[in-house]
Amino acid sequence: QVQLVQSGAEVQKPGASVKVSCKASGYIFTKYAIHWVRQAPGQRFEWMGWINAVNGNTKYSQKFQGRVTITRDTSASTVYMELSSLRSEDTAVYYCARQRVPGATDFDPWGQGTLVTVSS
Amino acid sequence: QSVLTQPPSVSGAPGQRVTISCTGSSSNIGAGYDVHWYQQLPGTAPKLLIYGNINRPSGVPDRFSGSKSGTSASLTITGLQAEDEADYYCQSYDSSLTSFYVFGTGTKVTVL
Repeated sequence: QVQLVQSGAEVQKPGASVKVSCKASGYIFTKYAIHWVRQAPGQRFEWMGWINAVNGNTKYSQKFQGRVTITRDTSASTVYMELSSLRSEDTAVYYCARQRVPGATDFDPWGQGTLVTVSS
Repeated sequence: QSVLTQPPSVSGAPGQRVTISCTGSSSNIGAGYDVHWYQQLPGTAPKLLIYGNINRPSGVPDRFSGSKSGTSASLTITGLQAEDEADYYCQSYDSSLTSFYVFGTGTKVTVL
C-alpha cells in the first residue's frame, strides 16, 4: 500500500536548522509531487511547499521562502524538508503528504508527522 | 495570508445530521478551485474524507457528503456516529501567490 514514513521527533535550539525526511513506498516515486504541511499546537494546517519528484522543481509558501528547502533523493524514494533559523513559533508537527493523483490539489496519503520542538 | 473560515465546533446526538461550513474568497473557492475535506482524530495524521467537492475516496462511509456553492463549501455527516468525533478541515487551492494551498480553521465535531 502507499505509505509515507517520516523521521523521528527533533528538539532544536533557536537559530538552528532541522531536516525532516519522508520515505515513500508502494508507488512509483517520480510520478507524484510531495507537499509539506505543518500544524502548530492547537492551530490550523499551514502549507509550506512542494517538490516535483520527477525534476526536483520546488515551490514554497511566501511565509517560509528563504528559510525552507525541500529536496529529494530518487534512489532512496525520500523527500527532505529543511527549515533554518528556527524560532519558538516553529514548534509544530510537520507532515509530508502526497498529491492524491498527478495534478490533484488534495493530499493523500499523509505521513505520520514529525514533532519539531524549538526550545533553548 | 488567505484562510478558509469554519465554525469552531458543531455537535449532535448519534443518528443526527450535522453540517460544517467552509467560507473562502474570490482567490480560492470563489475562483472555482476544488474543496477537499480531511478528518483528524486526536494524535493522528489527517485522513482525506472528500476530494473534488463531492467525491469520497474508497473506504469512506457514504454518510459523509460534500457540496460547494459560490465562495463556500459544506461537509455533511448524516447519521452521526460516536467514531465521527474528530476535527475536520477544509482545504483548497489559492491563486493569491502567497500560499497556493490553504486550509480551513478547523471544526471540532462532538457526538453528544
